[in-house]
Amino acid sequence: SQQGEEDPQALSIQEGENATMNCSYKTSINNLQWYRQNSGRGLVHLILIRSNEREKHSGRLRVTLDTSKKSSSLLITASRAADTASYFCATDARSGGSQGNLIFGKGTKLSVKP
Amino acid sequence: DAMVIQNPRYQVTQFGKPVTLSCSQTLNHNVMYWYQQKSSQAPKLLFHYYDKDFNNEADTPDNFQSRRPNTSFCFLDIRSPGLGDAAMYLCATSRERHGTDTQYFGPGTRLTVL
Repeated sequence: SQQGEEDPQALSIQEGENATMNCSYKTSINNLQWYRQNSGRGLVHLILIRSNEREKHSGRLRVTLDTSKKSSSLLITASRAADTASYFCATDARSGGSQGNLIFGKGTKLSVKP
Repeated sequence: DAMVIQNPRYQVTQFGKPVTLSCSQTLNHNVMYWYQQKSSQAPKLLFHYYDKDFNNEADTPDNFQSRRPNTSFCFLDIRSPGLGDAAMYLCATSRERHGTDTQYFGPGTRLTVL
């Protein structure tokens, strides 16, 4: 079953605004990663947050993790048209034969209008 | 410099005609993954190789096979493509098979089945 679920499914904002995307998951995790995918391209790793971390920053990106709610958020500040892409959260399978494999959510499609 | 290369970028095949997709990496990573991604969906892991050790996901159809002749190359063979196999196929690598490892993706091969 799918582990991560992002919301909203699609988000349209103006350049300069902040964009917030949320991810919820079902089972315990060791860490959570966010990836970005430009249309018709492969995924690019953005940031990883471990289960014992609550917040992490990387440039204009801010990720939070609430393990009690099994949710994470990705905030992109001062968005640019070049941020237009789909954003996926991915969690690791914590146990069993699939340990270490990533399970991706359906993604949020972000459109930043100039 | 390209790190994970996929060829071809676009592949058209006929219903039932075998097709092979190629992936190569310059990262010398131990793990290579194949994902299937249908339109507006999450990437779905088909299988992965840890070195020469093949790991199939339980729900991957028998129609999909893979080969890894050496560290650098990995192939996805679809023995008898059906219309439902039309998708983007993504190859990824990681140094190890830990959930903390970043996965590096190729640009993908878009498969069309006529």
